[in-house]
Amino acid sequence: DAKTTQPPSMDCAEGRAANLPCNHSTISGNEYVYWYRQIHSQGPQYIIHGLKNNETNEMASLIITEDRKSSTLILPHATLRDTAVYYCIVRLMNSGGYQKVTFGTGTKLQVIP
Amino acid sequence: EAQVTQNPRYLITVTGKKLTVTCSQNMNHEYMSWYRQDPGLGLRQIYYSMNVEVTDKGDVPEGYKVSRKEKRNFPLILESPSPNQTSLYFCASSYQRGTSDLPQYFGPGTRLTVL
Repeated sequence: DAKTTQPPSMDCAEGRAANLPCNHSTISGNEYVYWYRQIHSQGPQYIIHGLKNNETNEMASLIITEDRKSSTLILPHATLRDTAVYYCIVRLMNSGGYQKVTFGTGTKLQVIP
Repeated sequence: EAQVTQNPRYLITVTGKKLTVTCSQNMNHEYMSWYRQDPGLGLRQIYYSMNVEVTDKGDVPEGYKVSRKEKRNFPLILESPSPNQTSLYFCASSYQRGTSDLPQYFGPGTRLTVL
């Protein structure tokens, strides 16, 4: 399984861009990078995912390096409601077509007024 | 509204008393999964199911059972709960289409305390 490494915590000023890094140096060619966030103890919420191209949606942008060994989630204008734990995960498909998903401990993002 | 529901949301029980946490999704998803979340350990997968009658172990399956008799339901069964199963539990579901898989949708969580 490709493992991910994220900083345990980050701060970001309200209104500024929040850039959350993730290292996945053992990622293989058919594995996607996914980002989720969890606000307090609610169920994790899907944000964005990508394979090798940069992606953008209404919530965030995902920048994946050319060698795919790391990625950055960008929240362009962070608000207080973006305070959450952000998880970077890599989706594995094993030989039987079954998927196994591993969440790490994520990055706790604190948006400061 | 597309959603994953879990019941109960909160449960306090005693050691050894069998319990079931239900999970249901209304999105016709093939894939369903159970996770537990503990402080400092992140989300850990307990069991998952690719479709009806197809289940497999995740990272921490000991002490748990699951069944998938219908596509929409995926109950988590604790035959003999112990205090180390005190945790926050999440159910999730998604479509499963080869390598172009799609994101998981999570339920609101069940906070279980075993005394």
